[in-house]
Amino acid sequence: DAGVIQSPRHEVTEMGQEVTLRCKPISGHNSLFWYRQTMMRGLELLIYFNNNVPIDDSGMPEDRFSAKMPNASFSTLKIQPSEPRDSAVYFCASSPSDRGTDTQYFGPGTRLTVL
Amino acid sequence: RKEVEQDPGPFNVPEGATVAFNCTYSNSASQSFFWYRQDCRKEPKLLMSVYSSGNEDGRFTAQLNRASQYISLLIRDSKLSDSATYLCVVTGGYNKLIFGAGTRLAVHP
Repeated sequence: DAGVIQSPRHEVTEMGQEVTLRCKPISGHNSLFWYRQTMMRGLELLIYFNNNVPIDDSGMPEDRFSAKMPNASFSTLKIQPSEPRDSAVYFCASSPSDRGTDTQYFGPGTRLTVL
Repeated sequence: RKEVEQDPGPFNVPEGATVAFNCTYSNSASQSFFWYRQDCRKEPKLLMSVYSSGNEDGRFTAQLNRASQYISLLIRDSKLSDSATYLCVVTGGYNKLIFGAGTRLAVHP
């Protein structure tokens, strides 16, 4: 079975550019999560969707970040404009549960570097 | 105070050793607890859930102490392949998992 798929795996961009990260959750999973991981702050939840609806976006750092889930098999996380402090690994995870507190399955991550 | 605190390590142990990690959490209302494993430059993967009565999965044993708000993970007969970062995870409200910063384990021959 295919796991969570993320693209691109690596992204290097310059400050001020728009960045779009993509995620395909495991088929049949109801919940999707976007996380950011840095050495300083660890793994932080950015936003959580259930049945394609955003449930909790309190972790989204600021207006430069936006996320969408137009259907059950696709989600995007967009940063516009990007800044060097956005450099991190961004993980997408999905869960078969409607709750955000059950087992989550992570994708391989997108390593973002903003110069 | 961080919501989930772990000793960052690294714990350097020889193959065959027994090693234990602890984790403390601040939210007394947390209901679910997990250990995830993260290999270098890889994604976190569920290692095991932690139940109130304690649970075992092969060489791994997890314990929960609700009164003291700590969770432990014991690894017996360490293997080289156990080298990784172990993330303590607790629930933070209805919608969130809160991840600790992780404890690094290095098993050497």
